[in-house]
Amino acid sequence: DVKVTQSSRYLVKRTGEKVFLECVQDMDHENMFWYRQDPGLGLRLIYFSYDVKMKEKGDIPEGYSVSREKKERFSLILESASTNQTSMYLCASSPLYSGTGVETQYFGPGTRLLVL
Amino acid sequence: GIQVEQSPPDLILQEGANSTLRCNFSDSVNNLQWFHQNPWGQLINLFYIPSGTKQNGRLSATTVATERYSLLYISSSQTTDSGVYFCAVGSNDYKLSFGAGTTVTVRA
Repeated sequence: DVKVTQSSRYLVKRTGEKVFLECVQDMDHENMFWYRQDPGLGLRLIYFSYDVKMKEKGDIPEGYSVSREKKERFSLILESASTNQTSMYLCASSPLYSGTGVETQYFGPGTRLLVL
Repeated sequence: GIQVEQSPPDLILQEGANSTLRCNFSDSVNNLQWFHQNPWGQLINLFYIPSGTKQNGRLSATTVATERYSLLYISSSQTTDSGVYFCAVGSNDYKLSFGAGTTVTVRA
């Protein structure tokens, strides 16, 4: 079974702090994704990566950056956390783009971040 | 981007009842997935169904790509079916666009 793990289930940070969210997958997937989930808005893509050191902006990249130094690990960084970044953050991975569309995405358990 | 609308936003069912969830999308897609998020937040892929019909136990899904909608059927619902159901679509790139979800509550 595919396993996607996230470093924390719950996190409380102060405004202005630098926050790191880590995601690790064990299925050698090329693609990895970071989403945030807010009530009534579904999931919105922040960034994705299709290879080591490669990244592309999603729909809401402002205030976030990412790092992918190894294939299995994808980190989301909040350079200076703000209260409007309080949310549920979900990481996902999927196999290589096949030309017929992105294959099934597998999700981690999520990190609930509260910024005070 | 592709717009995704799910209906109804909320659904309350008595255990044993059947239900249909709908997903409408605004453009052609070659990727459509249904997910279930349990009350603890874990998202599980139910179906990868850009077209046609699939069944998995008490769940089945149908996508009519030419008419830009997909349906998820839950039969003989159980309390473990509670949670949020998301439809997500994509076309020709890595991205998925998610709907706002349907929150299902199954009462014993």
